[in-house]
Amino acid sequence: DVKVTQSSRYLVKRTGEKVFLECVQDMDHENMFWYRQDPGLGLRLIYFSYDVKMKEKGDIPEGYSVSREKKERFSLILESASTNQTSMYLCASSLTVNYGYTFGSGTRLTVV
Amino acid sequence: SQKIEQNSEALNIQEGKTATLTCNYTNYSPAYLQWYRQDPGRGPVFLLLIRENEKEKRKERLKVTFDTTLKQSLFHITASQPADSATYLCALDQNNAGNMLTFGGGTRLMVKP
Repeated sequence: DVKVTQSSRYLVKRTGEKVFLECVQDMDHENMFWYRQDPGLGLRLIYFSYDVKMKEKGDIPEGYSVSREKKERFSLILESASTNQTSMYLCASSLTVNYGYTFGSGTRLTVV
Repeated sequence: SQKIEQNSEALNIQEGKTATLTCNYTNYSPAYLQWYRQDPGRGPVFLLLIRENEKEKRKERLKVTFDTTLKQSLFHITASQPADSATYLCALDQNNAGNMLTFGGGTRLMVKP
C-alpha cells in the first residue's frame, strides 16, 4: 500500500515564525498536493506538484510556498505564520488521473 | 463559479438499511468523479472513481451512480453497519488532468445499531 507520511501530527508555532511541514510518499507518485481543512470550508487546495522542482498554485496559495527537491518529498512552508493559518494540513499523492489520492494523516497546526 | 454540493446535515440511519448520499455539481464538465471516506482527525481515504461514460460502479457494499445530465452522483452503502459511520466526500477534478481535485463539504453518516 502507498504510504504518505507527514512529519508531525500536532504542531504549535508562534505568530511570525517560519514553519515547515514535511510530507514523504513511498510509491514513486508523480503528483503531490497540499490541502488545508477547516470546519465549514472543507478541503482547499494550496499547492500541487506534478514533477520534481515543479509547482502550481491551487485555490489558496497566499501566505504559503512549497518545495519539491526530490520526487518523494513535498514540503509546505509558511513564510511568516499567522493565526488564520491555524488549521489541519493534509498532504496527498497520486499516480495518474485514473487513481484516487492517497492522503497522509494530517498535521494539526496551531499558530498562537 | 464551479461548485460541489453535498448535504451538510448528518444522515442518521439504522443498521442494515441502505444509506444514500448525494453530490451535486455546477459549472463542471467532469470526466470522472471520486468518493472518499474521512474519519475524525484522519485524512480522507479513497473509495471509488467513476467515469462519465459509466452510469454505475460497485465495490462490495458500495455503489456509485453518475448522471452527467442531472450533474449528480449518488453514493449508496447497502446493509450499513455502525463501522460505516464517517464523513463521505465527493470530489471533482477542475481540469480533468488529475492534479486539481476539488472536494465537496462532505456528508456525515451515522449508522445506529
